[in-house]
Amino acid sequence: GAGVSQSPRYKVAKRGQDVALRCDPISGHVSLFWYQQALGQGPEFLTYFQNEAQLDKSGLPSDRFFAERPEGSVSTLKIQRTQQEDSAVYLCASSLDLAGPSTDTQYFGPGTRLTVL
Amino acid sequence: GENVEQHPSTLSVQEGDSAVIKCTYSDSASNYFPWYKQELGKRPQLIIDIRSNVGEKKDQRIAVTLNKTAKHFSLHITETQPEDSAVYFCAASMEEYGNKLVFGAGTILRVKS
Repeated sequence: GAGVSQSPRYKVAKRGQDVALRCDPISGHVSLFWYQQALGQGPEFLTYFQNEAQLDKSGLPSDRFFAERPEGSVSTLKIQRTQQEDSAVYLCASSLDLAGPSTDTQYFGPGTRLTVL
Repeated sequence: GENVEQHPSTLSVQEGDSAVIKCTYSDSASNYFPWYKQELGKRPQLIIDIRSNVGEKKDQRIAVTLNKTAKHFSLHITETQPEDSAVYFCAASMEEYGNKLVFGAGTILRVKS
């Protein structure tokens, strides 16, 4: 079946612009995660949703970052007033998270590469 | 919070040789340890994972070992092939934290033919 998809794949923004990044998880997956991956580094956790509830946003670097998942499926990560240090790949992952073995495996999307000029 | 360290940062091996990547974690409450392979410009893909109730898991040429006492786990790739060349990330998570993954910094594996 279809995997996790993200759009756009590439985004170039001028410093100060707002951007919105979209994630379409695997259908039926309960949990959705956003990670930020700087060049040459491992992904770093930003926020976590269980269905439509945002249960952990401890990784969001500032109040310029906002995420939502209003219907428990598609999620959007919004960055306001972008800055150069926001340049990174933003990865979305989803997991089934039902009772049973291996349902917490996280499947990643291809990421959105954000470049802030 | 959890901290994961990964070594080495780069690893070059000859085709057919074995490769070993090691990770240590700081929080003894972590109970799930996946390994992801990421090719340039592609998404991370799970290659193998292990939970804290087992010490070793194998899948064809790939194996992972876990030492809970020492808080370290390792990825072993045997009979390496050029297509194994990629960046490999280890990660750790605790179920009670919504399974968010804490990643190591990655290992660039180059398999020379």
